[in-house]
Amino acid sequence: QVQLQESGPGLVKPAQTLSLTCSVSGDSVSSGAYYWSWIRQHPGKGLEWIGLLYYSGSTYYNPSLKSRVSMSVDTSKNEFSLKLTSVTAADTAVYYCARRSWGYNAYDPNNWFDPWGQGTLVTVSS
Amino acid sequence: QSVLTQPPSVSGAPGQRVTISCTGSSSNIGAGSDVHWYQQLPGTAPKLLIFGNTNRPSGVPDRFSGSRSGTSASLAITGLQAEDEADYYCQSYDSGLSVFYVFGTGTKVTVL
Repeated sequence: QVQLQESGPGLVKPAQTLSLTCSVSGDSVSSGAYYWSWIRQHPGKGLEWIGLLYYSGSTYYNPSLKSRVSMSVDTSKNEFSLKLTSVTAADTAVYYCARRSWGYNAYDPNNWFDPWGQGTLVTVSS
Repeated sequence: QSVLTQPPSVSGAPGQRVTISCTGSSSNIGAGSDVHWYQQLPGTAPKLLIFGNTNRPSGVPDRFSGSRSGTSASLAITGLQAEDEADYYCQSYDSGLSVFYVFGTGTKVTVL
């Protein structure tokens, strides 16, 4: 059974960098079979896709966040990470990591996310 | 930033049938991209409910069904149960925005 678990600070000061890690169990991020993703949900709001990551290091980001976001993978620890720079209160959200279903490549139009981590609330406040 | 539109809320009595629409455009659902549905119970992470427009993962009751036509999709819940009270989101792939993955605005299902 594949499980994902987010970890990281729950409180980040404005203008600082938000850093989160997603630990994967029951699957290997380096298997090459799947892409891995970060998704966030502002309080009481809908879901927003942040980015997609492949074990090779290839990344694909939401254009609205592209200038501030970076994702990376650590195959030795079987985990992947998210960094979001210059955060503001608008970045306060629950951050989820998720596995994208198998697809031919990053541009496969028929993929879904499963499973998801339990999510971690990150509050941006001084 | 949601480009998939859902009704904010739907409600029904136990045992009734409710449907949730998900309206997209020619760059996502209308382009042939599959639609997937997630159920989010209060305080929990979204859970995959329907994938590939009509398919249920193992363990999802057959009370849940999905369909897609043109630039929209629908999720139907038949025999509504109290445990179905949750938020539901559709998701697809958008080829026109470089955003890749787009989610619906979300629908709150209330069991009366």
